Amino acid sequence: DTEVTQTPKHLVMGMTNKKSLKCEQHMGHRAMYWYKQKAKKPPELMFVYSYEKLSINESVPSRFSPECPNSSLLNLHLHALQPEDSALYLCASSQGAAGEENIQYFGAGTRLSVL
Amino acid sequence: LAKTTQPISMDSYEGQEVNITCSHNNIATNDYITWYQQFPSQGPRFIIQGYKTKVTNEVASLFIPADRKSSTLSLPRVSLSDTAVYYCLVGDIRKLGTGRRALTFGSGTRLQVQP
Repeated sequence: DTEVTQTPKHLVMGMTNKKSLKCEQHMGHRAMYWYKQKAKKPPELMFVYSYEKLSINESVPSRFSPECPNSSLLNLHLHALQPEDSALYLCASSQGAAGEENIQYFGAGTRLSVL
Repeated sequence: LAKTTQPISMDSYEGQEVNITCSHNNIATNDYITWYQQFPSQGPRFIIQGYKTKVTNEVASLFIPADRKSSTLSLPRVSLSDTAVYYCLVGDIRKLGTGRRALTFGSGTRLQVQP
C-alpha cells in the first residue's frame, strides 16, 4: 500500500475562515511533507516533519500552521488566508530522513479556493 | 542549491520512445535524481530514481552521465495515457533538518502524446 490520503479534495473558504487540511498515511513512513502547487508550476515545499518534529519551514507565512499529531497524520491549519493562497496543496511522505529510501509518495491533493 | 532545468514541452506519437532531459549543474555529491509524473488535479507519481549510471524499471529508464550534471528519462513506446507533466527532483532527503534546502523540483515538461 503506497497510499497517502488527503481530505477534503476541494475546499472553498473566505478570508476570515479557519479550516484544516488533513493527510494520512499507513506506510510507516517517518517523514511527511506539505507542498503548495500553483497552476502550471512545480510543487513548492512548505513544511517537513521528520519523526513527528517540524524540521523545515520554508519561510511560510504564519497563516499556515502545520501539526503532526502522530506518525501517520499531518494537518495544515489555515487562518486568514488571502486569495493568492488558492492552490493545490499536496501532502507527501517518505520512509525517513535517515534511510536510503528517498522516494516521496504524494496524495491527490486538496484544491483550495480562497474567496 | 541544485537548480534544475527542463524543456517546457514535448510532443510525440504513440509507440515512439521519448527522452526528457533535466539539467542540474550544481548537483551535490549526495543528491539523488528522481522523476515524477503528474496528471491534472492529481499528486505527482513516482516513476524512477537514480544516483549514477543507468537505472531501469518496468516503466522507464534513467540515464545519468558520469559528471551527473544532467539526467535523461526515457519512456519506451509511449501511449496516449502518458500525456502528463514530468518533473525531475534533485536532492537528498537525508539533508532534511540540516538547515539547507534539500529538494528542488524542475519546472516540469509537458508531454503531449498524439495518436
